[in-house]
Amino acid sequence: EVQLLESGGGLVQPGGFLRLSCAGSGFTFSSHAMNWVRQAPGKGLEWVSGISAGGDDSYYGDSVKGRFTISRDNSKDTLFLQMNSLRAGDTAMYYCAKTRGLAVAGTPYYFDYWGRGTLVTVSS
Amino acid sequence: EIVLTQSPGTLSLSPGERATLSCRASQRVSSSYLAWYQQKPGQAPRVVIFASSIRATGIPDRFSGSGSGTDFTLTISRLEPEDFAVYYCLQYGSSLWTFGQGTKVEI
Repeated sequence: EVQLLESGGGLVQPGGFLRLSCAGSGFTFSSHAMNWVRQAPGKGLEWVSGISAGGDDSYYGDSVKGRFTISRDNSKDTLFLQMNSLRAGDTAMYYCAKTRGLAVAGTPYYFDYWGRGTLVTVSS
Repeated sequence: EIVLTQSPGTLSLSPGERATLSCRASQRVSSSYLAWYQQKPGQAPRVVIFASSIRATGIPDRFSGSGSGTDFTLTISRLEPEDFAVYYCLQYGSSLWTFGQGTKVEI
């Protein structure tokens, strides 16, 4: 059974930092791109960042570029999100999501499994 | 960046009725890279449709997806009580992912 378990959320002051983790199990972690998606209270879903299966390539949404860094440790089946210079607008539930497929023309590519999320609150 | 616009924002229907949800993209989206998600309060999203029209495992056949290019549709043929939720479309393009803003299907 595929499982994704996020941790590391909590209350942090504006300008502070947090490091989120997502432990994967039940699948070959090193074979799949992974992502972070967030949801502010009462709002919609926002893709935050993605990383390739091997960890060589990473991508970011405009709202976090330059402040957040995604990484992974395939030897420990774990995904990370280092969040610096946090703002009130970063307050959200943060989900990790596993990508299914390859970004190859004509083949399905989507998020097939999600964790339950970890809550980040940025407030003084 | 491709922007996805979902309509309507809220759909008020009764059990047994048909729901039609729209997702319109600002640029052409590959059909292979368009998915729909259902989210209930306090839960993570779960995939309903991927590659525009393929039902995910365990999704009942009252759910169907269609569309291509810039216009995609999720249809629920006969609403069951457990279908009332928020639905999001998601697309991939140029190494980036974007979600629509969501459609709430309410009783």
